[in-house]
Formats: sequence, C-alpha cells, structure tokens
Amino acid sequence: NAGVTQTPKFQVLKTGQSMTLQCAQDMNHEYMSWYRQDPGMGLRLIHYSVGAGITDQGEVPNGYNVSRSTTEDFPLRLLSAAPSQTSVYFCASSSRQGAILAFFGQGTRLTVV
Amino acid sequence: AQTVTQSQPEMSVQEAETVTLSCTYDTSESDYYLFWYKQPPSRQMILVIRQEAYKQQNATENRFSVNFQKAAKSFSLKISDSQLGDAAMYFCAYRRPTTSGTYKYIFGTGTRLKVLA
Repeated sequence: NAGVTQTPKFQVLKTGQSMTLQCAQDMNHEYMSWYRQDPGMGLRLIHYSVGAGITDQGEVPNGYNVSRSTTEDFPLRLLSAAPSQTSVYFCASSSRQGAILAFFGQGTRLTVV
Repeated sequence: AQTVTQSQPEMSVQEAETVTLSCTYDTSESDYYLFWYKQPPSRQMILVIRQEAYKQQNATENRFSVNFQKAAKSFSLKISDSQLGDAAMYFCAYRRPTTSGTYKYIFGTGTRLKVLA
C-alpha cells in the first residue's frame, strides 16, 4: 500500500533510554518531516528533510536527531528520553518542498516514564 | 508572529445537520495557504480541504466547504449533511513561505466534533 508507514504505533520508554521512530514512504517524495502533537498545542515541527542527505531543524528540535540516507526513510532518534517527550509523533511527506502536506503516517504514541 | 486560533474545543452536531467550525489566524503575509485536516480516532491525519489566499472563491469538496474572509483573517469549515464518520478532531492550519525557501505550517489546537445519531 502506497503511503507513509510509521513504526512502532505505541512505545513506553524509561527516562534516559534512547530509541528510534521509523518512517518510510514509497511515493518517491522529496520532502519528509516529523511533528509532535501535544494536547492543547496542535502539531509542532521537529525536523524536516528536503532530500537525501539534507536535514534541518524545525520549531522544537532539542532532544531529537534525524538523518536521511535514502529518499524512502527518515528516522527520528530520541537520544536520552525525557518525560517532556511524551507525545504523539507524526511523520509526513510531500512530493517536493512546496507541495501540500497531505500524506501522514498513523502516528506513534510515546510515553516516557 | 503567525498564530492560528480555534476557539471551539468541542462541537456537537446532529446527524444530517450542518455544522460550522471556526478558525482565525494572524499574519502580515499576502501569499499563504489555509487547510483543514481531520483526525479520526484512528489518529490518521487527513487533508480535508485547502484554500489559497489569493483566490477569492471559497473552496468546496463534496459536503465540506469553507468561508474564507481574508480581511477578517477568518477561515471556517462548514460540514453539510453530517455523518457519523465525520466525528473527529479537526485542525486548521496555515502555511507560508519562509525567507530560507522552505514552508512553515502552523496548526491550531483543534476542535473535537461529535456527531449525534
């Protein structure tokens, strides 16, 4: 099925642990991004990429790392999880940077205890 | 600073009736896009409708239409003939180009729509 695939759907981490949220798309999209969704705050941009080998910071990048070694994959790494990173994370992609953001993954609910 | 405000945390509508969700935004830009996204309980974000700021005609997608008032910076979503499947969280979003050549999306805090049978 074409689209954006995120794994895992749910995750519980202990404070200080690290993990990687996976995001893959099979539409040959240039632009990929990560958002976090918190109650009462809408979605906020963490990091984005406009192509393989190119990444940049969004609105709330601290505590997160990304890389884009292929067009298809855009993993998000939590270096040392903190309770403030408890959130729902979305990966989103579009064909190019200026295209409308219409393709989202199903989200990962992350709880840091 | 650009902001997007959804002043209705929750709305209810009877099945088959019409409901309007409000959104206001603040910007000094002239070139931008506005969107409504739907997030059902499955968490999937779905693009419902879009509006380009320079277009005066209000966008329509089947039962979904917008009332875009550029001068008032208002962008409301009207859902006609509401269906049980319309129950979801609805997010208003604003997009503008940045000086670095990228695009910035700003999302509102959402309105939860309940559809009553």
